[in-house]
Amino acid sequence: GAVVSQHPSWVICKSGTSVKIECRSLDFQATTMFWYRQFPKQSLMLMATSNEGSKATYEQGVEKDKFLINHASLTLSTLTVTSAHPEDSSFYICSARDRGQGYEQYFGPGTRLTVT
Amino acid sequence: AQKVTQAQTEISVVEKEDVTLDCVYETRDTTYYLFWYKQPPSGELVFLIRRNSFDEQNEISGRYSWNFQKSTSSFNFTITASQVVDSAVYFCALSEGPNAGGTSYGKLTFGQGTILTVHP
Repeated sequence: GAVVSQHPSWVICKSGTSVKIECRSLDFQATTMFWYRQFPKQSLMLMATSNEGSKATYEQGVEKDKFLINHASLTLSTLTVTSAHPEDSSFYICSARDRGQGYEQYFGPGTRLTVT
Repeated sequence: AQKVTQAQTEISVVEKEDVTLDCVYETRDTTYYLFWYKQPPSGELVFLIRRNSFDEQNEISGRYSWNFQKSTSSFNFTITASQVVDSAVYFCALSEGPNAGGTSYGKLTFGQGTILTVHP
């Protein structure tokens, strides 16, 4: 089946630094990827939609200058959390839409970010 | 705007009991998809089912069954003869269909989740 990977699976960083999270579709092409954030004991909230070769579309309330998204190829999207603060600590999950399979969507395993 | 409501925050049952997780949704779209996902403690989302708005047939997969009723905007999930391994957070989600304008297709709106604990 289709597989989406995320790297790293967990990361601890200091306040003020930037962290990059990668989302890869391993065996299919994804023109669209989605980034979600999940705070402890809460639901998943969509942050942005990443389209290959164009700018990401951010949901209301999400700072695009803080959460930089780059979808440079059909198999890779990256989310960079710039100048991270403790309140950015969360579980970040990506999903990728397979354009070759009726637009099925597959989720990555998630990245747990802790900002100290 | 789309909305998904899972009114049950937590459910606790004893093994072998049947349990139903409720999901009520709101959307103005005529074409949409409904999903259920399981999230075990590892955090990875496990896809359980997808249902499109034109298919109201109930579905059964092993111990899992789903009841989709457009008249009440509900998409409930039942686990029969629950097992300890069913303990997880379960999310109901909604997305627009492919003819809804393109840019929003695939964006999932999740419910708040229901924490299911199955005791031995």
